[in-house]
Amino acid sequence: AQSVTQLDSQVPVFEEAPVELRCNYSSSVSVYLFWYVQYPNQGLQLLLKYLSGSTLVKGINGFEAEFNKSQTSFHLRKPSVHISDTAEYFCAVISPYSSASKIIFGSGTRLSIRP
Amino acid sequence: EAGVAQSPRYKIIEKRQSVAFWCNPISGHATLYWYQQILGQGPKLLIQFQNNGVVDDSQLPKDRFSAERLKGVDSTLKIQPAKLEDSAVYLCASSSQTGATEAFFGQGTRLTVV
Repeated sequence: AQSVTQLDSQVPVFEEAPVELRCNYSSSVSVYLFWYVQYPNQGLQLLLKYLSGSTLVKGINGFEAEFNKSQTSFHLRKPSVHISDTAEYFCAVISPYSSASKIIFGSGTRLSIRP
Repeated sequence: EAGVAQSPRYKIIEKRQSVAFWCNPISGHATLYWYQQILGQGPKLLIQFQNNGVVDDSQLPKDRFSAERLKGVDSTLKIQPAKLEDSAVYLCASSSQTGATEAFFGQGTRLTVV
């Protein structure tokens, strides 16, 4: 079975500052990893995904994430945040090799941007 | 391409009443998911369909929750009777197949049980 841990429930940062949202996963098999963003009163939107290949993945809105197999981590980063990045961010994992694979989400990190 | 459609967007009911949510996935998507997202938590999978068959319903409270996906397209999720702790956002998602590289989410239905 897979699991996801997001270490920070809230991350406050100043506008134009860099940010890192941490995510660790647990799995006995190879997995795909995702970051989703949820704006207030909206559904989840995919930011980026890691399937295989290059460990540095670039997504929408200037976000990127790095897959680290030895540390079982998939941290999300942005070099300079904007007020519009205020949202909840969810890390998720899925094993593509199971006939009943399902997407498992972390508990989320609320990113708040201060002007 | 049209996205995942859900209705209603908001619903307020009294405890012990029943309620139903509707989801129309992206055309051609074989896999459909229902997630429950309680305030301050990540989405939790309730049930997963592959076409019109159930793949996983291990976390569905079957004494009060039921779901169906007739003809492998639209799906409905029902709660009967509702409890206060059922207050949450119910998210529907679809993907082209099980284990696919991306699931697409609807905007969700916010249920408040009073």
